[in-house]
Amino acid sequence: DAGITQSPRHKVTETGTPVTLRCHQTENHRYMYWYRQDPGHGLRLIHYSYGVKDTDKGEVSDGYSVSRSKTEDFLLTLESATSSQTSVYFCAISIGHKNYGYTFGSGTRLTVV
Amino acid sequence: AQSVTQPDIHITVSEGASLELRCNYSYGATPYLFWYVQSPGQGLQLLLKYFSGDTLVQGIKGFEAEFKRSQSSFNLRKPSVHWSDAAEYFCAVGSGGGADGLTFGKGTHLIIQP
Repeated sequence: DAGITQSPRHKVTETGTPVTLRCHQTENHRYMYWYRQDPGHGLRLIHYSYGVKDTDKGEVSDGYSVSRSKTEDFLLTLESATSSQTSVYFCAISIGHKNYGYTFGSGTRLTVV
Repeated sequence: AQSVTQPDIHITVSEGASLELRCNYSYGATPYLFWYVQSPGQGLQLLLKYFSGDTLVQGIKGFEAEFKRSQSSFNLRKPSVHWSDAAEYFCAVGSGGGADGLTFGKGTHLIIQP
């Protein structure tokens, strides 16, 4: 999607290894989000950020940490990957402090073996 | 806590027929409501949104949705579907005063029959 890039697009990793996913935006939006998508669950919020170094937990934050040292980058880290974290991860950005609708990235498909 | 229910996991519609996808929400205040579409292997694209005002909102690709506060519903409609409408559709609700994320329904998978 225009203005938001996720990397990598695909990753296979082993159980117990650390993994970092990156979300990069070019639109200078304050609010950024990490969701995971699993069959039968829709999208669930992991963490979100409302500014540099300002982050908060979402619905399914256990096992995940985030960092935002620059406006344009929001990193999601799995400290020790587990098979239950196999999922498709989406980053989203939001305009301003109102919920005017999010723009989503193309997703990262993560497989933990 | 806010929640969204999409009662239909799968819906099959013939090409050219009308479509209605159901969405019910639970939210304490005035909700901000959204419909997103996701094609296979793709991210989510915003179809339409409701914040206030006219309860019938128009979106992209010929879709519309109607907000009914009395029924806590925000159903998505299209008068005549095309094969390209086959996708996963998600309803979502969010708060107006903050930016602490959207709550999504589990999605409805739309199948178009020729």
